[in-house]
Amino acid sequence: EVQLVESGGVSVQPGGSLRLSCAASGFPFSDYAMNWVRQAPGKGLEWVSYISPGTSSSTYYADSVKGRFTISRDNAKNSLYLQMNSLRDEDTAVYFCARDIADCSGGTCHEIRFDHWGRGTLVTVSS
Amino acid sequence: EIVLTQSPGTLSLSPGERATLSCRASQSVSSSYLVWYQQKPGQAPRLLIYGTSSRATGIPDRFSGSGSGTDFTLTINRLEPEDFAVYYCQQYGTSPRYTFGQGTKLEIK
Repeated sequence: EVQLVESGGVSVQPGGSLRLSCAASGFPFSDYAMNWVRQAPGKGLEWVSYISPGTSSSTYYADSVKGRFTISRDNAKNSLYLQMNSLRDEDTAVYFCARDIADCSGGTCHEIRFDHWGRGTLVTVSS
Repeated sequence: EIVLTQSPGTLSLSPGERATLSCRASQSVSSSYLVWYQQKPGQAPRLLIYGTSSRATGIPDRFSGSGSGTDFTLTINRLEPEDFAVYYCQQYGTSPRYTFGQGTKLEIK
């Protein structure tokens, strides 16, 4: 059974730093791309960051976090991370990790979707 | 950047009725890259439909997706009590890599 469990969410002051973790199990973690998605209280979903599978990972970020957040993975530990620096009030949200899956052939991928999600961890940025 | 606009914001229906949810893109989206999720309060989103019309594993056939270009639809036939939730569409693009619509809340009338 695929499981994703986030941790590390706490209350932090503006300008502070935090590292979130996502522990994966039930599937070959290194073979899958992963994402972080967040949801501010009472609001919709916002994609935050993506990391490709394998070891030479490509990364992408939403403009709202670019230069402040860093996504990484440790395949030996089946873990995904999000290093969050220079935190702002507007970063307050539940942060979900999500597995990214697609049907790929000939270097092109189709039907990309997030097929498994963790339950999320709450980050509160407040003075 | 492709913006996804979902309508209506809130849809009030009774169990047994049909729900039609709209997702409109600001630019053409490949049908291969349009996805729908369901989210209930306090829970993670759940994958419903991918590639515009393919149901995810375990999703009942009363859920169906359609559309092309800039207009996509999620239809739920014969609403069950457990279907009342918030629904999001999502697309894969270039920059940003993914975007979500703002969501449609399906509530019991």
